[in-house]
Amino acid sequence: AQSVTQLDSQVPVFEEAPVELRCNYSSSVSVYLFWYVQYPNQGLQLLLKYLSGSTLVKGINGFEAEFNKSQTSFHLRKPSVHISDTAEYFCAVSDRRGSGNTGKLIFGQGTTLQVKP
Amino acid sequence: GAVVSQHPSRVICKSGTSVKIECRSLDFQATTMFWYRQFPKQSLMLMATSNEGSKATYEQGVEKDKFLINHASLTLSTLTVTSAHPEDSSFYICSAREGYLQYFGPGTRLTVT
Repeated sequence: AQSVTQLDSQVPVFEEAPVELRCNYSSSVSVYLFWYVQYPNQGLQLLLKYLSGSTLVKGINGFEAEFNKSQTSFHLRKPSVHISDTAEYFCAVSDRRGSGNTGKLIFGQGTTLQVKP
Repeated sequence: GAVVSQHPSRVICKSGTSVKIECRSLDFQATTMFWYRQFPKQSLMLMATSNEGSKATYEQGVEKDKFLINHASLTLSTLTVTSAHPEDSSFYICSAREGYLQYFGPGTRLTVT
């Protein structure tokens, strides 16, 4: 079974400052890793994903994340945030086994990013 | 990118009635769709996995007779909340799977009065 822990429930930050949203996961099998963003009363939008290859992945809106297998982490970063980045961010994992892969996503608890002017 | 729609976006119903929510993949075929429930300020909770042409797989603790799921085609899954009660009020989100990825619908806000 997998689990995901987002270490910060809320992250306040000033506009144009850098930000890191932390995510740790636990799994007995190899996983795919995802970050999603949710704006109020909307569905989820994929920010970025790690499937294989380079451990540093770049996503939309200037976000990037680094997969660290030894620390079982997948922290999300942005060097300079904007007011419009204010939203809820979810880290998620999915089992990457072949025929046994249902594609189910396990989500973390979410982190509210509050960008202040 | 792939687009998933949900209908309705908001619905208010009276206690004891049933409500149907539709989830459609607009530009791709999805053999697997998922239904989630989200309470305010909380994460998404997977309710069930919907597979085209077969019965849905429900997560532990989810009443399958209350939350009826039908995946009649490769682009449509429906969730019917039967005999709704105020505690069923929530934000319901569907997703459709394409390969390794899930694409999410915009959600349906259900309010039961």
